[in-house]
Amino acid sequence: RKEVEQDPGPFNVPEGATVAFNCTYSNSASQSFFWYRQDCRKEPKLLMSVYSSGNEDGRFTAQLNRASQYISLLIRDSKLSDSATYLCVVNRASGGSNYKLTFGKGTLLTVNP
Amino acid sequence: SQTIHQWPATLVQPVGSPLSLECTVEGTSNPNLYWYRQAAGRGLQLLFYSVGIGQISSEVPQNLSASRPQDRQFILSSKKLLLSDSGFYLCAWRARITYEQYFGPGTRLTVT
Repeated sequence: RKEVEQDPGPFNVPEGATVAFNCTYSNSASQSFFWYRQDCRKEPKLLMSVYSSGNEDGRFTAQLNRASQYISLLIRDSKLSDSATYLCVVNRASGGSNYKLTFGKGTLLTVNP
Repeated sequence: SQTIHQWPATLVQPVGSPLSLECTVEGTSNPNLYWYRQAAGRGLQLLFYSVGIGQISSEVPQNLSASRPQDRQFILSSKKLLLSDSGFYLCAWRARITYEQYFGPGTRLTVT
């Protein structure tokens, strides 16, 4: 099983649609979870952290299911500017302060007018 | 606020030539620093990380090396580039009290 696995897509949705991305991770000891977005030919940017209780930031909702080792991202009322690749990211503790992140390959989202 | 710089933005180098990419961070002290590579159509691969000056850990053995001569400076080098070294090189930093990493704008390297 890959460390972090995502549906590569592409997801093509109309403006205003609701879209959900899923991600699974293999290391049950992982402690921190994130969603990053990456625009074409740009660096990844932190979108939001994912907390055990679930968290929301405007149109974006992230959820974590530790028992199933599953993370999700929901985008409501999609905008054209949401078009990007969404990366599921999991922290893999390696002792001390050398925490490293494992990145999924990303899910490509295109929002169409 | 913290800022991370990388240069150059793009680079075209012939096979067998040397490489030096530089990354600097402003607005923070004693950060963890990371070098990643993203090959076309692939995910981010961690190459090196550093917890302090002169402290480098390698994730993947290859013809690249890294150095951290100053607290907020991280350098990626190669003595002889291979075609397979082409990719998007990203530097990232992490503050000690959090786990999030923040990326620089990256260097797009094409080896010809």
